[in-house]
Amino acid sequence: DTGVSQDPRHKITKRGQNVTFRCDPISEHNRLYWYRQTLGQGPEFLTYFQNEAQLEKSRLLSDRFSAERPKGSFSTLEIQRTEQGDSAMYLCASSLLVIQANEKLFFGSGTQLSVL
Amino acid sequence: EDQVTQSPEALRLQEGESSSLNCSYTVSGLRGLFWYRQDPGKGPEFLFTLYSAGEEKEKERLKATLTKKESFLHITAPKPEDSATYLCAVRGSQGNLIFGKGTKLSVKP
Repeated sequence: DTGVSQDPRHKITKRGQNVTFRCDPISEHNRLYWYRQTLGQGPEFLTYFQNEAQLEKSRLLSDRFSAERPKGSFSTLEIQRTEQGDSAMYLCASSLLVIQANEKLFFGSGTQLSVL
Repeated sequence: EDQVTQSPEALRLQEGESSSLNCSYTVSGLRGLFWYRQDPGKGPEFLFTLYSAGEEKEKERLKATLTKKESFLHITAPKPEDSATYLCAVRGSQGNLIFGKGTKLSVKP
């Protein structure tokens, strides 16, 4: 068990460019979450998958953001036409959902995005 | 609307000085209250889950308690390695976790 892995750890981009992040969850975990965290704030929910199905997406999430989990394993989060306000830490978490009451989320170390 | 409020925002303690962190929540039907620890530059690390008022859980110097409106994280005789941001979260109606802003704890030797 190597934990949740995120790549890259850091990304610097210019405003207007597209960026893509990757998350590899703990193997056999069926749920995968994306969160965003800015300095001094708690993680903010973006979206989550159960296997390959995207079950929920935050209503605050711009349509510039899209996420996929094509085979129910790794996931990608793409941000199109980045803006300075997109600068944040993007966190991925995974869990093995058997019954929701016992679900525990395990987080990766995140991808720090800076938009210049 | 589901909401989590943590206080204080920051807490500075001397080594061995016990204290408590507060988490107040508003949620329609509690389906779990979670405590996480986050070190700088890292993702949150799971500590506890509480489900019903009166429940308590302990891990080393940490003890989490739950009432119908709030949770406390008690830290007994803290050490410098306990310095971190402690996050509280509740499970929202859509199943995702809703986090508070956290309490940044600093423990000085």
